[in-house]
This record gives sequence, C-alpha cells and structure tokens, in this order.
Amino acid sequence: GNSVTQMEGPVTLSEEAFLTINCTYTATGYPSLFWYVQYPGEGLQLLLKATKADDKGSNKGFEATYRKETTSFHLEKGSVQVSDSAVYFCAGDYNTDKLIFGTGTRLQVFP
Amino acid sequence: DGGITQSPKYLFRKEGQNVTLSCEQNLNHDAMYWYRQDPGQGLRLIYYSQIVNDFQKGDIAEGYSVSREKKESFPLTVTSAQKNPTAFYLCASSRTSGMTYNEQFFGPGTRLTVL
Repeated sequence: GNSVTQMEGPVTLSEEAFLTINCTYTATGYPSLFWYVQYPGEGLQLLLKATKADDKGSNKGFEATYRKETTSFHLEKGSVQVSDSAVYFCAGDYNTDKLIFGTGTRLQVFP
Repeated sequence: DGGITQSPKYLFRKEGQNVTLSCEQNLNHDAMYWYRQDPGQGLRLIYYSQIVNDFQKGDIAEGYSVSREKKESFPLTVTSAQKNPTAFYLCASSRTSGMTYNEQFFGPGTRLTVL
C-alpha cells in the first residue's frame, strides 16, 4: 500500500543552523504532498504543500520541493529559530479517502 | 473566523465509562476525520466521514463510535470497550475526500485521561 516515510527524530539544532527533515513517499500514482507542524499540546497546522512534480511549497522560511525522480519531499529551512521547535509531519494524498501521514519528526532548537 | 473546535480540551474518565468528544466545524467542509495520537507517536485514523449520515472505519476503530447527523458536527464516543483510551484526540476536516489536494484542517485536540 501507499506510505510516507520520514526520518526519525529528535533532530537537535542550534539556533540559526540549517534544517533538513527527510520525507519519501511511495510512487503509486502522483500524490499531493504536505508538511504539517504540531506545537506542544496543539493540533496540526498546515505548513506547506505541493500538488505535482517540481512544485515547491514554501511558508515561514520553510521550503520543500516535490521530486519525482527521488520520490522525496524534504523539508528545509536555512536558519532555524527556537520558536521552530515542534513536531513536523509529512503527509500524502493519493486521491483516496484519507491522508497518509509519516510518523513525525521532533525538532528541538536550542539558543 | 472559520475553523474547527473541539471540546473539552481536557477530559477525565473513570474506567468503564463511555465519553463523547465534540468536534464542530464552520468551514462548510464535507469530510471529517478523527485521529488518535499517543505520546511520541504519529496519527492513527479512527473514523472518517465523507458526507452526512455516512462514515467509515479507519485503522483503529475498535472501541469507538461516531455519528454524522449534521455536516458541521462529528462527535466521537470512546466506549468502555476501548482498552487503552488515554491519548490525545484530533479532529480534522477537508473540503472533500477522494480528490487530489485533500488538505485537512485540524482542531486543537482533546486530551483524554482514564483514571
């Protein structure tokens, strides 16, 4: 079946460091891809999205490019802040009834 | 402002009791979803509904029940048959399901603790 796989956490970084959180998806069809962010004790918020190959989603300094050749949608940010500390979820919509979520990656940013 | 509300934010239940979690949306979305999240874990789908008066089981439906009598509302009942109900419950909605670009919007969650 379809699946979305993301790197294990936690990812621990110092403030202003470069961030990459890896996400890969199974290539059955052409899913729409999403990154969600969850701050402690809260629900998920959509961070960015891409609906087709080569699309780049961006928001709040975060970016992710839909790469068909590597079946990837890695999340990147050039300079993280303490306020970016959260859990990040990659998800795919394979044109079915539901989203497929990755297991989440916790990001901890220290001053 | 449009959005999804869940109530209560914290809920305590004694073993053997049923409890109902509320989820309301004013986004005019057709589809609604319930997820369970355990500490350090991802999201697991409990039930979802694409239209009023219809719903489908997700991956972990045992011990839960839902209803969808109104488009805006999708309450989840955690029954006494659910063996380990302590968790964080998230409700979500989307414009529709079965279509590409199925962005889901999430509520703030309800944390259920069984005493």
